[in-house]
Amino acid sequence: GENVEQHPSTLSVQEGDSAVIKCTYSDSASNYFPWYKQELGKGPQLIIDIRSNVGEKKDQRIAVTLNKTAKHFSLHITETQPEDSAVYFCAASRPPWGATNKLIFGTGTLLAVQP
Amino acid sequence: DTEVTQTPKHLVMGMTNKKSLKCEQHMGHRAMYWYKQKAKKPPELMFVYSYEKLSINESVPSRFSPECPNSSLLNLHLHALQPEDSALYLCASSQSTGVVTGELFFGEGSRLTVL
Repeated sequence: GENVEQHPSTLSVQEGDSAVIKCTYSDSASNYFPWYKQELGKGPQLIIDIRSNVGEKKDQRIAVTLNKTAKHFSLHITETQPEDSAVYFCAASRPPWGATNKLIFGTGTLLAVQP
Repeated sequence: DTEVTQTPKHLVMGMTNKKSLKCEQHMGHRAMYWYKQKAKKPPELMFVYSYEKLSINESVPSRFSPECPNSSLLNLHLHALQPEDSALYLCASSQSTGVVTGELFFGEGSRLTVL
């Protein structure tokens, strides 16, 4: 089955710096790669996703890159702000069946942005 | 409306109690999910309903009983739980069509404590 590894487990940056979180996956059939942000006491919130027919996607200060050959994808946050502090999870899934999307999550990265 | 609403937000129960967690979405999604999340861990899939039918049960103990009364509602019935079942229970929904994977939207979760 699919296995998703995520690094680093913790990341501390100064406000204004960039943060990069990396994930690798094992199942070459996976074609959907979302990133979730989870603040303390809340549910995961989708912040960006990428599909296997695209190499890069950007949304303001957040970007995700995908290397299908190497089976890895990364989250880039530029100009970090204290409100970016949270746990970030990557995930991967194979093509859906029916309405279902079975996500396999990475282990999470605790990002701390120091003011 | 991109909301998944979960009630209650907090629940404390004894090992002999019977209680239920409730989840509602009005996005027209036909897949609904229950996840369990322990502290500092990724969400762990428990059950998936697709078109109101149970499509995935990840070998969850029978003290957890899911129910999908209609396409907008999902319940998780709890009975004779153990202290180790204390966790954040997350509901999610998605809609995938054909080969296009739909995003998973999570609720804020129900924090369960079993005494």
